[in-house]
Amino acid sequence: AQSVTQLGSHVSVSEGALVLLRCNYSSSVPPYLFWYVQYPNQGLQLLLKYTSAATLVKGINGFEAEFKKSETSFHLTKPSAHMSDAAEYFCAVSEEQGAQKLVFGQGTRLTINP
Amino acid sequence: EAGVAQSPRYKIIEKRQSVAFWCNPISGHATLYWYQQILGQGPKLLIQFQNNGVVDDSQLPKDRFSAERLKGVDSTLKIQPAKLEDSAVYLCASSLMAGAYNEQFFGPGTRLTVL
Repeated sequence: AQSVTQLGSHVSVSEGALVLLRCNYSSSVPPYLFWYVQYPNQGLQLLLKYTSAATLVKGINGFEAEFKKSETSFHLTKPSAHMSDAAEYFCAVSEEQGAQKLVFGQGTRLTINP
Repeated sequence: EAGVAQSPRYKIIEKRQSVAFWCNPISGHATLYWYQQILGQGPKLLIQFQNNGVVDDSQLPKDRFSAERLKGVDSTLKIQPAKLEDSAVYLCASSLMAGAYNEQFFGPGTRLTVL
C-alpha cells in the first residue's frame, strides 16, 4: 500500500526566502503525486500534480515540484515566499492502477515571517 | 462555476448523539468523496461514490457511520452514535470521473466537535 511522509510539521521562512517543503512517498507501482494547499477554514486546493510526464511540475502561485524516483521524493519549492503563502500544505500519493485513491501525508504548516 | 457546498460548517454535539452532514458536489461530477481530517493529520478517505454506487468504503466505520448518495447528486454522511474520537473536519470532494488523474475539488468542510 502507498504512503506519504512529510518531513517537518511546521516550516517557517522569511518573506522573499526560498520555500522548501519535503515529501517522500512509498508505492509499489508507478505513482501519481500531488500537492494540495489548505487555507484556514477552507477546503483543499490542488497546487500541482505529477502523472508520469515531465519530472519537473509547475503549479499555481509560483510553486513547483520535482519527481525523483531514485529518492522516492516529491519536494515542493517556491523561489520567493510571499505572506499569502502561509497555509497548510499536504502531499498525497495515488497509484496508477487499482483503487487509485488518494493517501495524504500529515501536512506541513508554512509560516511566513515579515 | 459553483464549488462544492457543505453544511453545516460547524456542529457541536455530545457523545452518543447523532449528527448528519450534507454535501452538494459540483454539477456534473460523477464521483463524490467523504474524507475525515483529524486535527494535525491529513485527510483520510471514508467513502467514495461513483454516481449513486459505492466504489470504496473500506475505511468507513460501518458500525456507526453511514453515507448515501441518492439520485447520484448530493450526499449525506451520518454518525450514530458519535464518539469523542469522531471530532474532526469532514470534507466532501467531487471529481468529474473516478481515477486519480482527475482533480478532486474540495468543499470547505464541516467541523464536528463531540463533547
